[in-house]
Amino acid sequence: KAGVTQTPRYLIKTRGQQVTLSCSPISGHRSVSWYQQTPGQGLQFLFEYFSETQRNKGNFPGRFSGRQFSNSRSEMNVSTLELGDSALYLCASSLGGTGAGEQFFGPGTRLTVL
Amino acid sequence: SQQGEEDPQALSIQEGENATMNCSYKTSINNLQWYRQNSGRGLVHLILIRSNEREKHSGRLRVTLDTSKKSSSLLITASRAADTASYFCATYSTLGRLYFGRGTQLTVWP
Repeated sequence: KAGVTQTPRYLIKTRGQQVTLSCSPISGHRSVSWYQQTPGQGLQFLFEYFSETQRNKGNFPGRFSGRQFSNSRSEMNVSTLELGDSALYLCASSLGGTGAGEQFFGPGTRLTVL
Repeated sequence: SQQGEEDPQALSIQEGENATMNCSYKTSINNLQWYRQNSGRGLVHLILIRSNEREKHSGRLRVTLDTSKKSSSLLITASRAADTASYFCATYSTLGRLYFGRGTQLTVWP
């Protein structure tokens, strides 16, 4: 079974631009969660999608948004990029249900904002 | 914050020694999970322990959970150089999300 894939793996943008990151979950997984990882703040939860609906949301500004498609693939978008958005963005998929089980992580997208 | 906090922040040992990492958290949980991350890569799930369990084993890993003290420990026995990584505890709360701690950086010297 193929693992979670994320594209692109690396991205360099400038302040004020917007970016879209993509995540393809493991086949059969209906839940996709997104996390931001920085040296200063650690791993922070962004949001979770289940069956195309946002089920949970972290404490991030509205510039961060996401969506999930009918095939469970998910995208997250960050508009009006700021220097502080430079981070490793990780997505994780799970079977879903209560979402309480093991999460399978992708390799991440390394975003650098100049 | 419901985040787990790992202790120590960094641990350096020789191959063959045991490594113990601790995690404390603040609120009620459904389960607690441990993950490993190799430098700058995705996280790998190691073990999940439910709130009604006290101890769990998986290979060279042993996890304990004390809900009265809101703490957990991860023991890696007979460490290998390949165990060098960051280890995170994550608490799954009744709010339906995982909260990760800052992690313990484990270095195992050959």
